[in-house]
Amino acid sequence: GESVGLHLPTLSVQEGDNSIINCAYSNSASDYFIWYKQESGKGPQFIIDIRSNMDKRQGQRVTVLLNKTVKHLSLQIAATQPGDSAVYFCAERGMGNQAGTALIFGKGTTLSVSS
Amino acid sequence: DAMVIQNPRYQVTQFGKPVTLSCSQTLNHNVMYWYQQKSSQAPKLLFHYYDKDFNNEADTPDNFQSRRPNTSFCFLDIRSPGLGDAAMYLCATSRDPGNQPQHFGDGTRLSIL
Repeated sequence: GESVGLHLPTLSVQEGDNSIINCAYSNSASDYFIWYKQESGKGPQFIIDIRSNMDKRQGQRVTVLLNKTVKHLSLQIAATQPGDSAVYFCAERGMGNQAGTALIFGKGTTLSVSS
Repeated sequence: DAMVIQNPRYQVTQFGKPVTLSCSQTLNHNVMYWYQQKSSQAPKLLFHYYDKDFNNEADTPDNFQSRRPNTSFCFLDIRSPGLGDAAMYLCATSRDPGNQPQHFGDGTRLSIL
């Protein structure tokens, strides 16, 4: 079945370091992936997305890499700041449901940034 | 400015007492979604509306219902809440279904007494 998972439940980094959060997905037919950031008591906040016809996309301080060969997705955060501390979810657009709208979320990685 | 607004932020209800959670959006998006998120878990889609068309996920219990009276508003009704329904309920929107981001509200945390 379809599933999206993350390699590590927690990641601790120092302020200023670069962070890499990884995600593995199982459905090779998935064509769209998103990263969300969720702070305590808030809803998921969109960070960046990527379509399957790309292997890299950059935003402000963030880069998403997609390796379709090994079904792996990663989020790189440059110069990590304390405000980046949150739970990060990757999500995959599910295939085969009624309208193709379901986002299947991975389990989440908690990023802790220390000063 | 909040674009997906959920009310209330916290809701307490009694076991078996019907409860309604509300979501409104200022984005004029066609699709509205309801997710359930339990502690330390990922959000799980319950159902969504594409315009007026309701789409239920196969494993969503019958206890959960939804209404969308107009483009801006969507409601989640839990007919007989059980202790296992205590969770954060998240509303999200997208302009259309498919390959685009969903925009989430900050959720309603539901507690069951």
